[in-house]
Amino acid sequence: EAQVTQNPRYLITVTGKKLTVTCSQNMNHEYMSWYRQDPGLGLRQIYYSMNVEVTDKGDVPEGYKVSRKEKRNFPLILESPSPNQTSLYFCASSLSRDNVYGYTFGSGTRLTVV
Amino acid sequence: QQQVKQSPQSLIVQKGGISIINCAYENTAFDYFPWYQQFPGKGPALLIAIRPDVSEKKEGRFTISFNKSAKQFSLHIMDSQPGDSATYFCAASREGYSTLTFGKGTMLLVSP
Repeated sequence: EAQVTQNPRYLITVTGKKLTVTCSQNMNHEYMSWYRQDPGLGLRQIYYSMNVEVTDKGDVPEGYKVSRKEKRNFPLILESPSPNQTSLYFCASSLSRDNVYGYTFGSGTRLTVV
Repeated sequence: QQQVKQSPQSLIVQKGGISIINCAYENTAFDYFPWYQQFPGKGPALLIAIRPDVSEKKEGRFTISFNKSAKQFSLHIMDSQPGDSATYFCAASREGYSTLTFGKGTMLLVSP
């Protein structure tokens, strides 16, 4: 089944403790992206990657890091999480540069930072 | 600067009625306008999309209307059903760029 897999689905952590949210896709998509979803703010892009070793900042990159060492994986790293990073995070991938086929989203990771 | 403005924030429609969600954009370089549907506990999924060379696109009960001069587009759900209850996001992107800019979302509730 074609899908984007995120782990974990739920995570509670403490301020300052480094964490990684993994994202993997099995569709050989070149484009991958991370979004965060907050009530009243919709989906905001954190980082995206056009291909292996090619990443760029989205609208809200502060406090996050990403890497793209393999085509299928695009982990999101929070080196020193803070409570304002409590959010619902989505990884997405796309086959084409021009979005003709749309994004495929993962099921989300609900992160709570206390 | 919010590049895609979506309204209303929430909407309640009776079963069988028409649901209408509106979006307006600012960047005239945008040339691809998809709508995504999100059910609770799930990621958004592509519902329907339109490019500015047409004014309307219909897929089943879902129709996008597009007004290029007004820089507005809308989603119409005909014969709305309780199973349509979800959050809907409009979005926009421009040629050659994979990045989607999303609206803030509309929570639709279709009452039985």
